[in-house]
Amino acid sequence: DSGVTQTPKHLITATGQRVTLRCSPRSGDLSVYWYQQSLDQGLQFLIHYYNGEERAKGNILERFSAQQFPDLHSELNLSSLELGDSALYFCASSYMKSAFFGQGTRLTVV
Amino acid sequence: QQPVQSPQAVILREGEDAVINCSSSKALYSVHWYRQKHGEAPVFLMILLKGGEQMRHEKISASFNEKKQQSSLYLTASQLSYSGTYFCGTDWQGSQGNLIFGKGTKLSVKP
Repeated sequence: DSGVTQTPKHLITATGQRVTLRCSPRSGDLSVYWYQQSLDQGLQFLIHYYNGEERAKGNILERFSAQQFPDLHSELNLSSLELGDSALYFCASSYMKSAFFGQGTRLTVV
Repeated sequence: QQPVQSPQAVILREGEDAVINCSSSKALYSVHWYRQKHGEAPVFLMILLKGGEQMRHEKISASFNEKKQQSSLYLTASQLSYSGTYFCGTDWQGSQGNLIFGKGTKLSVKP
């Protein structure tokens, strides 16, 4: 158990819809990272938040957005969903040197 | 920018050794190694820092050649539990979690 909690574990939704994925980092960790993992693209970095502020953006689509709240939990919002958005979405938190991943949310867009 | 991992896949018998390589075209601050089993989250194995020492996690060790921007993961006397996909994640900003991952090396250990 990494200490990073993600909800929900599974999500099935239709194209065009909007969903919100939630992540609670390990106690004391100020950083939250979001990753997308699909079969053809591998693990892709999406975005990094540190103590409520956006620090870095990776390959994140404009239809996706994220935020980190004062209690340090983070939400990833995915809108106008397409079939190609189906993937595992991981969040990770880190404090000193290493990133620890949550169990992921498997999103299926039908 | 994505690091290149080799080999893409390897099949071992229990007790055999393996080496997985990770090469980057960019100067690196650190290299992180993860193992992921099917349907599960990547699990942190170890981190190699620029100027740091070779690391070890049980019978798995790794090295980082800063001049070549290359890291190698050494699996010694492999066990069935070593099966999974190994990813290297590269960091050139010192941000720890903002990692660019390679495509992974699938390791299968057979009895």
